[in-house]
Amino acid sequence: DTEVTQTPKHLVMGMTNKKSLKCEQHMGHRAMYWYKQKAKKPPELMFVYSYEKLSINESVPSRFSPECPNSSLLNLHLHALQPEDSALYLCASSQGGTYGYTFGSGTRLTVV
Amino acid sequence: KQEVTQIPAALSVPEGENLVLNCSFTDSAIYNLQWFRQDPGKGLTSLLLIQSSQREQTSGRLNASLDKSSGRSTLYIAASQPGDSATYLCAVADTGGFKTIFGAGTRLFVKA
Repeated sequence: DTEVTQTPKHLVMGMTNKKSLKCEQHMGHRAMYWYKQKAKKPPELMFVYSYEKLSINESVPSRFSPECPNSSLLNLHLHALQPEDSALYLCASSQGGTYGYTFGSGTRLTVV
Repeated sequence: KQEVTQIPAALSVPEGENLVLNCSFTDSAIYNLQWFRQDPGKGLTSLLLIQSSQREQTSGRLNASLDKSSGRSTLYIAASQPGDSATYLCAVADTGGFKTIFGAGTRLFVKA
Protein backbone atom coordinates (compact mmCIF):
# COMPACT_ATOMS: atom_id res chain seq x y z
CA ASP A 1 0.00 0.00 0.00
CA THR A 2 1.64 3.24 -1.17
CA GLU A 3 -1.20 5.62 -0.44
CA VAL A 4 -2.27 8.17 2.13
CA THR A 5 -6.03 7.96 2.64
CA GLN A 6 -8.02 10.95 3.87
CA THR A 7 -11.64 10.97 4.98
CA PRO A 8 -14.05 12.56 4.43
CA LYS A 9 -13.39 14.00 0.98
CA HIS A 10 -15.83 16.86 1.58
CA LEU A 11 -17.11 18.37 4.83
CA VAL A 12 -19.53 21.23 5.51
CA MET A 13 -19.77 22.37 9.11
CA GLY A 14 -21.29 25.18 11.09
CA MET A 15 -19.24 27.48 13.28
CA THR A 16 -20.49 25.76 16.45
CA ASN A 17 -19.90 22.21 15.25
CA LYS A 18 -17.19 19.75 16.26
CA LYS A 19 -15.84 17.51 13.52
CA SER A 20 -12.71 15.48 12.80
CA LEU A 21 -10.59 14.81 9.73
CA LYS A 22 -8.87 11.46 9.43
CA CYS A 23 -5.66 10.43 7.69
CA GLU A 24 -4.23 6.92 7.39
CA GLN A 25 -1.05 5.43 5.90
CA HIS A 26 0.34 1.90 5.94
CA MET A 27 3.77 2.56 4.46
CA GLY A 28 5.56 2.50 7.81
CA HIS A 29 6.38 6.19 7.51
CA ARG A 30 7.53 7.72 10.80
CA ALA A 31 6.38 11.29 10.13
CA MET A 32 2.92 12.61 9.34
CA TYR A 33 1.85 16.14 8.47
CA TRP A 34 -1.17 18.39 8.18
CA TYR A 35 -1.20 21.15 5.57
CA LYS A 36 -3.81 23.79 4.80
CA GLN A 37 -4.26 25.05 1.25
CA LYS A 38 -6.38 28.01 0.19
CA ALA A 39 -7.46 28.44 -3.43
CA LYS A 40 -4.59 29.27 -5.80
CA LYS A 41 -2.09 29.27 -2.93
CA PRO A 42 0.62 26.77 -1.99
CA PRO A 43 0.11 24.35 0.91
CA GLU A 44 1.01 25.80 4.32
CA LEU A 45 2.39 23.54 7.04
CA MET A 46 0.24 23.25 10.17
CA PHE A 47 1.55 20.32 12.23
CA VAL A 48 4.26 17.67 12.09
CA TYR A 49 4.22 14.40 14.04
CA SER A 50 7.39 12.36 14.31
CA TYR A 51 7.21 8.92 15.94
CA GLU A 52 3.68 9.78 17.11
CA LYS A 53 4.83 12.89 18.96
CA LEU A 54 4.02 16.45 17.94
CA SER A 55 7.29 18.00 16.79
CA ILE A 56 6.17 21.12 14.92
CA ASN A 57 3.15 23.36 15.47
CA GLU A 58 3.25 26.34 13.13
CA SER A 59 1.36 28.62 15.55
CA VAL A 60 -1.96 27.16 14.53
CA PRO A 61 -5.05 28.43 16.42
CA SER A 62 -6.28 26.11 19.17
CA ARG A 63 -9.56 25.51 17.36
CA PHE A 64 -7.46 23.00 15.36
CA SER A 65 -6.34 20.09 17.53
CA PRO A 66 -4.16 17.33 16.07
CA GLU A 67 -3.95 13.80 17.39
CA CYS A 68 -1.77 10.84 16.44
CA PRO A 69 -3.26 7.70 18.10
CA ASN A 70 -0.74 5.37 16.44
CA SER A 71 1.95 5.32 13.78
CA SER A 72 -0.57 4.84 10.95
CA LEU A 73 -3.28 7.29 11.91
CA LEU A 74 -3.49 11.06 12.17
CA ASN A 75 -6.56 13.05 13.12
CA LEU A 76 -7.37 16.75 13.04
CA HIS A 77 -10.14 17.76 15.44
CA LEU A 78 -12.04 20.90 14.51
CA HIS A 79 -14.08 23.08 16.86
CA ALA A 80 -15.57 26.56 16.60
CA LEU A 81 -14.09 27.22 13.18
CA GLN A 82 -14.50 30.44 11.24
CA PRO A 83 -15.54 30.83 7.60
CA GLU A 84 -11.96 31.82 6.73
CA ASP A 85 -10.86 28.33 7.79
CA SER A 86 -12.56 26.96 4.69
CA ALA A 87 -9.81 25.33 2.63
CA LEU A 88 -8.39 22.07 1.34
CA TYR A 89 -6.74 20.18 4.20
CA LEU A 90 -3.96 17.88 3.08
CA CYS A 91 -2.29 15.09 4.98
CA ALA A 92 1.15 13.76 4.06
CA SER A 93 3.60 11.19 5.34
CA SER A 94 7.30 10.53 4.93
CA GLN A 95 10.21 8.65 6.37
CA GLY A 96 11.75 12.01 7.23
CA GLY A 97 15.34 12.95 6.51
CA THR A 98 16.11 12.81 2.82
CA TYR A 99 12.92 10.97 1.86
CA GLY A 100 10.14 12.70 -0.01
CA TYR A 101 6.50 13.14 0.90
CA THR A 102 3.39 11.20 -0.08
CA PHE A 103 0.20 13.27 0.00
CA GLY A 104 -3.40 12.28 0.37
CA SER A 105 -6.13 13.63 -1.89
CA GLY A 106 -7.32 16.07 0.77
CA THR A 107 -10.51 17.05 2.56
CA ARG A 108 -12.40 20.02 1.15
CA LEU A 109 -13.73 21.85 4.22
CA THR A 110 -16.43 24.51 4.06
CA VAL A 111 -17.37 26.42 7.23
CA VAL A 112 -20.78 28.09 7.10
CA LYS B 1 13.87 31.95 6.64
CA GLN B 2 13.61 29.79 3.53
CA GLU B 3 11.68 31.32 0.64
CA VAL B 4 10.78 29.45 -2.54
CA THR B 5 9.89 31.25 -5.75
CA GLN B 6 8.54 29.75 -8.97
CA ILE B 7 8.65 31.39 -12.37
CA PRO B 8 6.55 31.74 -14.44
CA ALA B 9 3.35 31.87 -12.42
CA ALA B 10 1.38 30.68 -15.45
CA LEU B 11 2.28 29.23 -18.83
CA SER B 12 0.25 28.35 -21.92
CA VAL B 13 1.91 26.30 -24.67
CA PRO B 14 0.80 24.34 -27.75
CA GLU B 15 0.87 20.57 -27.59
CA GLY B 16 4.24 19.01 -28.41
CA GLU B 17 6.34 21.88 -27.11
CA ASN B 18 9.24 21.31 -24.72
CA LEU B 19 9.13 23.56 -21.68
CA VAL B 20 11.05 24.52 -18.56
CA LEU B 21 9.65 25.48 -15.18
CA ASN B 22 11.90 27.31 -12.74
CA CYS B 23 12.21 27.17 -8.96
CA SER B 24 14.58 29.20 -6.78
CA PHE B 25 15.22 29.05 -3.04
CA THR B 26 17.06 31.39 -0.70
CA ASP B 27 18.77 28.96 1.73
CA SER B 28 21.00 26.34 0.11
CA ALA B 29 21.03 24.18 3.25
CA ILE B 30 18.35 21.76 2.08
CA TYR B 31 17.85 18.01 2.42
CA ASN B 32 15.98 17.54 -0.79
CA LEU B 33 13.80 19.19 -3.39
CA GLN B 34 10.60 17.65 -4.65
CA TRP B 35 8.43 18.52 -7.64
CA PHE B 36 4.70 17.88 -7.37
CA ARG B 37 1.75 18.09 -9.71
CA GLN B 38 -1.67 19.23 -8.52
CA ASP B 39 -4.89 19.04 -10.50
CA PRO B 40 -7.65 21.51 -9.54
CA GLY B 41 -9.15 20.72 -6.14
CA LYS B 42 -7.05 17.57 -5.77
CA GLY B 43 -4.12 16.42 -3.67
CA LEU B 44 -0.47 16.53 -4.67
CA THR B 45 1.19 13.88 -6.80
CA SER B 46 4.94 13.50 -6.42
CA LEU B 47 6.79 13.71 -9.74
CA LEU B 48 10.48 13.76 -8.88
CA LEU B 49 12.60 13.89 -5.73
CA ILE B 50 16.18 15.17 -5.87
CA GLN B 51 18.43 14.61 -2.89
CA SER B 52 20.76 17.45 -1.91
CA SER B 53 23.75 15.45 -3.15
CA GLN B 54 22.22 14.82 -6.58
CA ARG B 55 22.26 16.99 -9.69
CA GLU B 56 19.25 15.62 -11.55
CA GLN B 57 16.50 13.03 -11.71
CA THR B 58 14.53 11.73 -14.69
CA SER B 59 11.17 10.04 -15.02
CA GLY B 60 9.73 9.48 -18.48
CA ARG B 61 9.30 12.87 -20.19
CA LEU B 62 10.29 14.73 -17.02
CA ASN B 63 13.76 15.81 -15.98
CA ALA B 64 14.54 17.84 -12.87
CA SER B 65 17.88 19.44 -12.11
CA LEU B 66 19.25 20.91 -8.91
CA ASP B 67 22.00 23.49 -8.42
CA LYS B 68 22.18 23.89 -4.66
CA SER B 69 24.95 26.46 -4.69
CA SER B 70 22.90 28.88 -6.78
CA GLY B 71 19.61 27.94 -5.15
CA ARG B 72 17.92 26.82 -8.35
CA SER B 73 16.01 23.88 -9.76
CA THR B 74 14.37 23.38 -13.13
CA LEU B 75 11.71 20.95 -14.28
CA TYR B 76 11.95 20.09 -17.96
CA ILE B 77 8.87 18.60 -19.65
CA ALA B 78 9.46 17.12 -23.08
CA ALA B 79 6.81 16.88 -25.80
CA SER B 80 4.04 18.39 -23.69
CA GLN B 81 0.51 16.93 -23.86
CA PRO B 82 -2.90 18.34 -22.88
CA GLY B 83 -2.92 15.86 -19.99
CA ASP B 84 0.09 17.70 -18.55
CA SER B 85 -2.16 20.69 -17.80
CA ALA B 86 -1.99 21.21 -14.02
CA THR B 87 -0.23 23.26 -11.36
CA TYR B 88 3.38 22.28 -10.74
CA LEU B 89 4.76 22.91 -7.26
CA CYS B 90 8.35 22.93 -6.11
CA ALA B 91 9.06 22.11 -2.45
CA VAL B 92 12.31 22.19 -0.47
CA ALA B 93 12.92 20.30 2.76
CA ASP B 94 15.09 21.80 5.50
CA THR B 95 18.09 19.96 6.88
CA GLY B 96 15.94 18.17 9.43
CA GLY B 97 13.82 16.85 6.60
CA PHE B 98 10.60 17.48 8.51
CA LYS B 99 9.79 21.00 7.37
CA THR B 100 9.01 21.49 3.71
CA ILE B 101 8.38 24.89 2.14
CA PHE B 102 6.41 25.17 -1.08
CA GLY B 103 6.65 27.62 -3.92
CA ALA B 104 3.45 29.25 -5.18
CA GLY B 105 3.42 26.98 -8.24
CA THR B 106 3.31 27.34 -12.01
CA ARG B 107 -0.11 26.84 -13.65
CA LEU B 108 0.49 25.06 -16.96
CA PHE B 109 -2.04 24.85 -19.79
CA VAL B 110 -1.18 22.73 -22.82
CA LYS B 111 -3.40 23.46 -25.82
CA ALA B 112 -4.41 20.63 -28.14
